Amino acid sequence: NAGVTQTPKFRILKIGQSMTLQCTQDMNHNYMYWYRQDPGMGLKLIYYSVGAGITDKGEVPNGYNVSRSTTEDFPLRLELAAPSQTSVYFCASTLRDAPTEAFFGQGTRLTVV
Amino acid sequence: GENVEQHPSTLSVQEGDSAVIKCTYSDSASNYFPWYKQELGKRPQLIIDIRSNVGEKKDQRIAVTLNKTAKHFSLHITETQPEDSAVYFCAVLANAGGTSYGKLTFGQGTILTVHP
Repeated sequence: NAGVTQTPKFRILKIGQSMTLQCTQDMNHNYMYWYRQDPGMGLKLIYYSVGAGITDKGEVPNGYNVSRSTTEDFPLRLELAAPSQTSVYFCASTLRDAPTEAFFGQGTRLTVV
Repeated sequence: GENVEQHPSTLSVQEGDSAVIKCTYSDSASNYFPWYKQELGKRPQLIIDIRSNVGEKKDQRIAVTLNKTAKHFSLHITETQPEDSAVYFCAVLANAGGTSYGKLTFGQGTILTVHP
């Protein structure tokens, strides 16, 4: 099992550009999440999904979109990138809602200039 | 929503000493409290967790205690080693009528440095 895999690991965007952060898991987990981690801060939930075709907003969803067409994949889309979106992004998954361990991807470091 | 406060933000200890990190939370219905360790440039990884029906849990040099009345829980690391140096995050899983969907609210993190 590869677990949770994110791509890319690093990316620099110019203001106004768009990009998609990819996340895939091979553990047959139903629940998937996107978090962002700002320097000196904990992780904040952007979006989550409880299954294919179902997504919902987390704490900080503005400027992002997600889709969940399959159980394995949960891409995060940034439209019109802004400097405030400079952060480290982590995708995570859990087998069921709780209480159970969340498995994280290796993270994507995004810089918007 | 849930609010999680974590202290201290930085902690420096000598090898062999103990380290304690404390978190408080706001929602009395919360029922699951994991701790994650994040080494520099790496992903967060679960090191220990506790459920609301348990007051204390140990795993070798690591222990977590939970005080539901006071709404706080703590991570205890004994006999610290340099490889324990990392950022530690507490988290809380809310239980809003049983529909938490696994969403975690994280504390701000504690940078632990263990000096040889």
